[in-house]
Amino acid sequence: ETGVTQTPRHLVMGMTNKKSLKCEQHLGHNAMYWYKQSAKKPLELMFVYSLEERVENNSVPSRFSPECPNSSHLFLHLHTLQPEDSALYLCASSQGTRNTGELFFGEGSRLTVL
Amino acid sequence: GQSLEQPSEVTAVEGAIVQINCTYQTSGFYGLSWYQQHDGGAPTFLSYNALDGLEETGRFSSFLSRSDSYGYLLLQELQMKDSASYFCALPSAGGRRALTFGSGTRLQVQP
Repeated sequence: ETGVTQTPRHLVMGMTNKKSLKCEQHLGHNAMYWYKQSAKKPLELMFVYSLEERVENNSVPSRFSPECPNSSHLFLHLHTLQPEDSALYLCASSQGTRNTGELFFGEGSRLTVL
Repeated sequence: GQSLEQPSEVTAVEGAIVQINCTYQTSGFYGLSWYQQHDGGAPTFLSYNALDGLEETGRFSSFLSRSDSYGYLLLQELQMKDSASYFCALPSAGGRRALTFGSGTRLQVQP
């Protein structure tokens, strides 16, 4: 148990579906992140939400839409995805205003796009 | 931009010592982190080096040389449960609170 909970753990969707991934952190942290993990590739930062800012990776397609209603919850809304979007989507959180190199990850949502 | 390079796979036997190297390129350096990820599990934080030298935490140690843009993770007294992927990571240039990860090194510990 890492203190970061992601649901669903597994998701299969067609290219025309709309679904959402949910992340909740129970650590009292003030920043949350979405990462994408594909086979044999580095973890790719998609979005960052913190008290100070929202940061996006400009290479993330608009078919991925983040939402952060409060400091404990983070969503990733998915629509009209492509098969190459199949991957493990990891949520993470951190605390503090300076980077100490420590993120707390959830176990991920395994997404398969048919 | 930022980049990190680490070997894709390492194999070692139980009880041995293994070193996983990481070389990096970045315009501004703040520190180097290491993470462990078992198959199907979450990446978990192991260590963070902001200054040169060796940091020891039990069986695991991490080393940093800022002048060489190089670090390594040292695992001693290997156990079967140490079989996992290990990632080095840098604070991201675009958002310092996030991290840029290497591709990971898969460690296979054999009996």
